[in-house]
Amino acid sequence: IAGITQAPTSQILAAGRRMTLRCTQDMRHNAMYWYRQDLGLGLRLIHYSNTAGTTGKGEVPDGYSVSRANTDDFPLTLASAVPSQTSVYFCASSEGAGASNEQFFGPGTRLTVL
Amino acid sequence: GQNIDQPTEMTATEGAIVQINCTYQTSGFNGLFWYQQHAGEAPTFLSYNVLDGLEEKGRFSSFLSRSKGYSYLLLKELQMKDSASYLCAVTSNDYKLSFGAGTTVTVRA
Repeated sequence: IAGITQAPTSQILAAGRRMTLRCTQDMRHNAMYWYRQDLGLGLRLIHYSNTAGTTGKGEVPDGYSVSRANTDDFPLTLASAVPSQTSVYFCASSEGAGASNEQFFGPGTRLTVL
Repeated sequence: GQNIDQPTEMTATEGAIVQINCTYQTSGFNGLFWYQQHAGEAPTFLSYNVLDGLEEKGRFSSFLSRSKGYSYLLLKELQMKDSASYLCAVTSNDYKLSFGAGTTVTVRA
């Protein structure tokens, strides 16, 4: 049982380059999320999707875009990376978008933008 | 928005008890989660509270007081493997999670 997978595990990227972080889940969960985790700030929501075909903005969406073409995949794209986007990115999913739904997290992608 | 506060670090001895406090201010409240995160790993679910009171799950318990905007996570019979960060997260009216910065617990032999 894979759960949630993310790729790549880590990446060093030159500023200005485009980058897509991949996230795939095999639990048939309806809701998916992207967070970034920075020291001292905790996890912050970037974008979310309550169900396939819909997306929404979280707390820190600027500079990022997402798509949800199907249930399993939820890629996060940085159109033109900047050093402030250096962070650890976690993808998560939950069965539904309701308040009590436990979120399951992927292993994370460590991104460094130089 | 949400304002979630928890201590940055705590240290305890193997076999002891540690209580991690979390206070929150939110425009709407729909529940509080605790997650555990070992260094370099993903967060994993520990507990969910939506009603006042204590929820016990093995060595871990979580308490909620909605009127006080307060929760704690109690870790009993500490083991070395409990060394990790513990994240308090609140669900508000939009059903999205807002996380505190996390409390790093170090268990010493």
